[in-house]
Amino acid sequence: DAGVIQSPRHEVTEMGQEVTLRCKPISGHDYLFWYRQTMMRGLELLIYFNNNVPIDDSGMPEDRFSAKMPNASFSTLKIQPSEPRDSAVYFCASTISGANVLTFGAGSRLTVL
Amino acid sequence: GDSVTQMEGPVTLSEEAFLTINCTYTATGYPSLFWYVQYPGEGLQLLLKATKADDKGSNKGFEATYRKETTSFHLEKGSVQVSDSAVYFCALTTRSARQLTFGSGTQLTVLP
Repeated sequence: DAGVIQSPRHEVTEMGQEVTLRCKPISGHDYLFWYRQTMMRGLELLIYFNNNVPIDDSGMPEDRFSAKMPNASFSTLKIQPSEPRDSAVYFCASTISGANVLTFGAGSRLTVL
Repeated sequence: GDSVTQMEGPVTLSEEAFLTINCTYTATGYPSLFWYVQYPGEGLQLLLKATKADDKGSNKGFEATYRKETTSFHLEKGSVQVSDSAVYFCALTTRSARQLTFGSGTQLTVLP
């Protein structure tokens, strides 16, 4: 099992540009989560999906952020337009129904100049 | 709401020293408790867990005991190694992984 796969691992972009982060969960996992990690705010849950359907997006900071899960093996987190305060490490994680343990990807480090 | 309070870091120890990272929690109901570890440049990994009072979770020489009376889940290791340098997160859930609440993390550096 390759684990949760995220890409890109590092992204540097300029303010105003669109950013797309990608995630492939573990096969068979039916829950997928997007977290953001910063020094100031720690780990924040942005959104999670169950069976490809968004369940709770209350953590999405604003309309510039959007997430999709078109199928069970792929999800995207998009920021448009990006701002310097979006600089953070974004983690994707997955789990299976009934479990209480998450498996995290290695993260995507985003720097917005 | 649920919350987790962790000992503030960073913590710096010499190799073979004893480690304690404090974690206390506030939760409704009966939470499951976890320690996750994040090595440099990687995602979080589950280190150990305990699902009911007085349970002891253990892994890789680390231990933590679920203390309901003190609402604590302190992480301990008798002899740390340089390879233990990482950020440690205490977490809880009262329902499932979709309701995980994380602490702020404690950075541990072990010097040779």
